[in-house]
Amino acid sequence: QLQLQESGPGLVKPSETLSLICTVSGGSISTSTYYWIWIRQPPGKGLEWIGSIHYGGRTDDNPSLKSRVTMSLDTSKNHVSLKLSSVTAADTAVYYCARQPTADHWGQGTLVTVSS
Amino acid sequence: QAVVTQEPSLTVSPGGTVTLTCGSSTGPVTSSHYPYWFQQRPGQAPRTLIYDTSIKHSWTPARFSGSLLGGKAALTLSGAQPEDEAEYYCFLSYSGARVFGGGTKVTVL
Repeated sequence: QLQLQESGPGLVKPSETLSLICTVSGGSISTSTYYWIWIRQPPGKGLEWIGSIHYGGRTDDNPSLKSRVTMSLDTSKNHVSLKLSSVTAADTAVYYCARQPTADHWGQGTLVTVSS
Repeated sequence: QAVVTQEPSLTVSPGGTVTLTCGSSTGPVTSSHYPYWFQQRPGQAPRTLIYDTSIKHSWTPARFSGSLLGGKAALTLSGAQPEDEAEYYCFLSYSGARVFGGGTKVTVL
């Protein structure tokens, strides 16, 4: 059974880079059938799409994040990574990864707090 | 960037029917926006109820259905149950970009 698990530091300092990994188990990320998305949710607020990455490396990301997003696939480790640079307190959120295009599998989310 | 609009809150009686809608600032919502509907209960991760306008997952209760209605995407809940009390988000695609609606809080009362 496919499972997704987000991981990474729970605390990041302002101006630094947030780095998260979405580990996929029970299935391979090396398939053109699916692609992967990152979504976040600030405390008490709604969902925000961060970006998408396709097999082969094509990415789309949210223009409101002003090109601070980098996503990649590591097929040897079967994980999807997210980097968000120059973070501020506004980037404090629960971060989720999910499999597209059917969004049939989500990670449980990981809280990242931006604070000095 | 497009803005996706949803009703902030709706109330439905147990056993009743309610329709949530999802509009786009760019014009009518069509099947080319591949509308999704997610349910999120407090303290839980979202789960996908509907994708590609009307396709259900195996776990989607039969009382939920997705459609296009009057230029918007719609999620209809027929026969509401107490466990349907949750936040519901729609999600639209725009040629590579994706946008969430602000969410609709559904109360079953």
